Amino acid sequence: DIQMTQSPSLLSASVGDRVTLSCKASQNIYKYLNWYQQKLGEAPKLLIYYTNSLQTGIPSRFSGSGSGTDYTLTISSLQPEDVATYFCQQYNSWYTFGAGTKLELK
Amino acid sequence: EVQILETGGGLVKPGGSLRLSCATSGFNFNDYFMNWVRQAPGKGLEWVAQIRNKNYNYATYYAESLEGRVTISRDDSKSSVYLQVSSLRAEDTAIYYCTRIVGGYNPSFDYWGQGVMVTVSS
Repeated sequence: DIQMTQSPSLLSASVGDRVTLSCKASQNIYKYLNWYQQKLGEAPKLLIYYTNSLQTGIPSRFSGSGSGTDYTLTISSLQPEDVATYFCQQYNSWYTFGAGTKLELK
Repeated sequence: EVQILETGGGLVKPGGSLRLSCATSGFNFNDYFMNWVRQAPGKGLEWVAQIRNKNYNYATYYAESLEGRVTISRDDSKSSVYLQVSSLRAEDTAIYYCTRIVGGYNPSFDYWGQGVMVTVSS
C-alpha cells in the first residue's frame, strides 16, 4: 500500500499569509495526487486534481505542485474561510489519503 | 445540480450488519463509477469500495482491510448505490460518504454526500 504523510498536522497562520502544506508519498506516485478541503461538520471538497489542476469554482489563491514523492498545496493569501482540514489523496495505486493538515487562524 | 444523499446509518451491535443506501440525482448516474469512503471520528479518510458502470460490467473493488465484509452494489434504474457491511466491529464506527468519481485516467472524488454515521457499540 502507498502511504501518504502530511505535514504539519496543525498549522496556524494569519489572514493574508502565504501557506504551504506538504504531502509525501511512500513511493513515486507520478503526480497522481488530489487535494481536498474539509470544513468542520462538512463533507470533503475537491480542490485540486492531478497535482496542479484547479477544480471548477475553486479560488485561484489555491495551487498545487510537486512530482515523484513530494507534493505541496499552497494558499497564496490566506482567507478566514480557508480554515479547514486539508487532505491529499493518491490514485497511483487505488486510493489512499493522508491524515490531514488542520489549518487554523493565528 | 448534483445531489448525493446517504441513508441507513445508525447504532449497531458488534457482529451485526448494516446496509447503507445512496440516492443520487442531477447527473447521468449510468456514466459514473461510484464509491464509498469512510471517516472514523476525528480521523482521516479511508476509501472503502468502488463499483464501476455497465460499460465495465459493474466490476467491484474493495479496500483490503474490509474485503470479505463489505459488498457494494448499484441500481441504475434508481440512480442509487448501496453498501452492505457485515461482522461489524467497533473500528467500523465512522461517517460513511458516498462519492462520485470522475476523470478517467486522472480520477478524483468530485461530489460527496453529506455522509451517514455508523456506530458499532454494545
